Amino acid sequence: KAGVTQTPRYLIKTRGQQVTLSCSPISGHRSVSWYQQTPGQGLQFLFEYFSETQRNKGNFPGRFSGRQFSNSRSEMNVSTLELGDSALYLCASSAERPSSYEQYFGPGTRLTVT
Amino acid sequence: QQQVKQSPQSLIVQKGGISIINCAYENTAFDYFPWYQQFPGKGPALLIAIRPDVSEKKEGRFTISFNKSAKQFSLHIMDSQPGDSATYFCAASIDGSTLGRLYFGRGTQLTVWP
Repeated sequence: KAGVTQTPRYLIKTRGQQVTLSCSPISGHRSVSWYQQTPGQGLQFLFEYFSETQRNKGNFPGRFSGRQFSNSRSEMNVSTLELGDSALYLCASSAERPSSYEQYFGPGTRLTVT
Repeated sequence: QQQVKQSPQSLIVQKGGISIINCAYENTAFDYFPWYQQFPGKGPALLIAIRPDVSEKKEGRFTISFNKSAKQFSLHIMDSQPGDSATYFCAASIDGSTLGRLYFGRGTQLTVWP
């Protein structure tokens, strides 16, 4: 089975711009979660989607949004980029219960905001 | 507030030695405790996980020890190898209202000297 894929792998944007990141989960997985990883804050949960519905959201401003499509692929969007948004954005997928605890991560998208 | 506290921040071990990383949590609702391994430029990879109904789980050279009363769990890497040099993250999650959300420790950078 192919793993979680994320595109693009690297991105450089300017402050004030917006960005869209894409995630394709493992085949058959319907839950997709997004995390932000920075040296200062570590791994922080952004949101989780299941069957096109956002089930859970972390403590991030409204500039961070996401969606999930009927094929379980997910996108996250960050509007009005700030320097502090520079991070590795990770997507993780998991199957339905009873194995839904296991989350498998993609390689991430490295976003640099200048 | 850091829900999962991890120590040490960095660890240097000689080849063949035992690496021990510790984590502590406060929320007794946590019921799933995974460990992830992350190499530079890669996403975290699920290594091993445990539920609170068992005190120990072993997979190859990796063992999780779980102490429910102390609200602590640890990762032991036996016969540590240079290829084990990576950053290790402990995490915890709760079934129910926080579906899909993992709370991560801040990570331990392990270096195994040949």
